[in-house]
Amino acid sequence: DAGVTQSPTHLIKTRGQQVTLRCSPKSGHDTVSWYQQALGQGPQFIFQYYEEEERQRGNFPDRFSGHQFPNYSSELNVNALLLGDSALYLCASRERGNYGYTFGSGTRLTVV
Amino acid sequence: TQLLEQSPQFLSIQEGENLTVYCNSSSVFSSLQWYRQEPGEGPVLLVTVVTGGEVKKLKRLTFQFGDARKDSSLHITAAQPGDTGLYLCAGPFAAGNKLTFGGGTRVLVKP
Repeated sequence: DAGVTQSPTHLIKTRGQQVTLRCSPKSGHDTVSWYQQALGQGPQFIFQYYEEEERQRGNFPDRFSGHQFPNYSSELNVNALLLGDSALYLCASRERGNYGYTFGSGTRLTVV
Repeated sequence: TQLLEQSPQFLSIQEGENLTVYCNSSSVFSSLQWYRQEPGEGPVLLVTVVTGGEVKKLKRLTFQFGDARKDSSLHITAAQPGDTGLYLCAGPFAAGNKLTFGGGTRVLVKP
């Protein structure tokens, strides 16, 4: 049973560019959350999607946007990249009503 | 701002020793989860505690949820090198809310 799949695994972008990260949730999971994890820190919540709508949002600027598709997969888009956006971006999914999340291995984004 | 504080930030011990990691908040959790993360990987869920005062055991790992549901601890008995990793506590402060993570405790178990 495949868990959460994220692509790409690594990405290098130039400041000012735009990036799209992709996530396929674990089979049977319908809720997807995105997190940003800086080196040596805990993950920071970006937003959560359920039924193709953004349900909750963390303290991130509008440059960060997302989407959830009918098959529950999700995308995270970041516009006008800044050097400070360099981080590990994690996608997590869960079955609605359950507590625990399953995380993907993340996408390592480097902005130069 | 609802924050989770973890202590210590870093712990280095010899194989066979015991260790305890703490997770504290000034706010009440609706539930509390512990994850372990290894380099280059995403966090892996170890346990979820829901009831105040709850104690859960997972082999050599013991998780405790405080009576007031504002704190939790993770105790590892006879640590092994395979226990090395970043231990993260996380919780929603209300059912269904976003998961807030602590800063993590990096554990190194030396053979």
